[in-house]
Amino acid sequence: DTAVSQTPKYLVTQMGNDKSIKCEQNLGHDTMYWYKQDSKKFLKIMFSYNNKELIINETVPNRFSPKSPDKAHLNLHINSLELGDSAVYFCASSQWGDNTEAFFGQGTRLTVV
Amino acid sequence: GNSVTQMEGPVTLSEEAFLTINCTYTATGYPSLFWYVQYPGEGLQLLLKATKADDKGSNKGFEATYRKETTSFHLEKGSVQVSDSAVYFCALINDYKLSFGAGTTVTVRA
Repeated sequence: DTAVSQTPKYLVTQMGNDKSIKCEQNLGHDTMYWYKQDSKKFLKIMFSYNNKELIINETVPNRFSPKSPDKAHLNLHINSLELGDSAVYFCASSQWGDNTEAFFGQGTRLTVV
Repeated sequence: GNSVTQMEGPVTLSEEAFLTINCTYTATGYPSLFWYVQYPGEGLQLLLKATKADDKGSNKGFEATYRKETTSFHLEKGSVQVSDSAVYFCALINDYKLSFGAGTTVTVRA
């Protein structure tokens, strides 16, 4: 059983399109995250949700809109895709608290052409 | 705010060599500290963690000690294998936010 699963694993799309990435966790965690990893492997947090409520929104363009229908799911919708959005996007989950580890999905490699 | 600084790579080693990756942090209060590893084409996995000063985290032959006086959490392994080739990330969690260092790419040659 995959703990944190993301779909799709690869996504190639044209500039200007709208796309979504889905994330589901079966760990019973109450907190989920989206991270963006650039070509130099730098990881930047984008969003964090706790019990379906937005906790962290890190200066991300409003073309990016997360949606959490329940505690086990956190989807990322991106409007009007740009070349600079090309990256690997990771979903993660954890239990709320400052001592807990985060579990990561395998990532979605988004390529905008 | 919180920040994590780790040594830049890439690092290339021969099998059985000693590995150390330096990591220092800036945070208010008492963060928990982590090392994550990312193997090629995969997501991040927790390698080890320490939640308070002087704690030592260890796993798979890797060790790191939480040093509050030097705000450091250096990763070490005494004898690396080819299978240790990966990107290593130092991280901290403080005020419920998980922040990562820039990552260090390690390549171990047979």
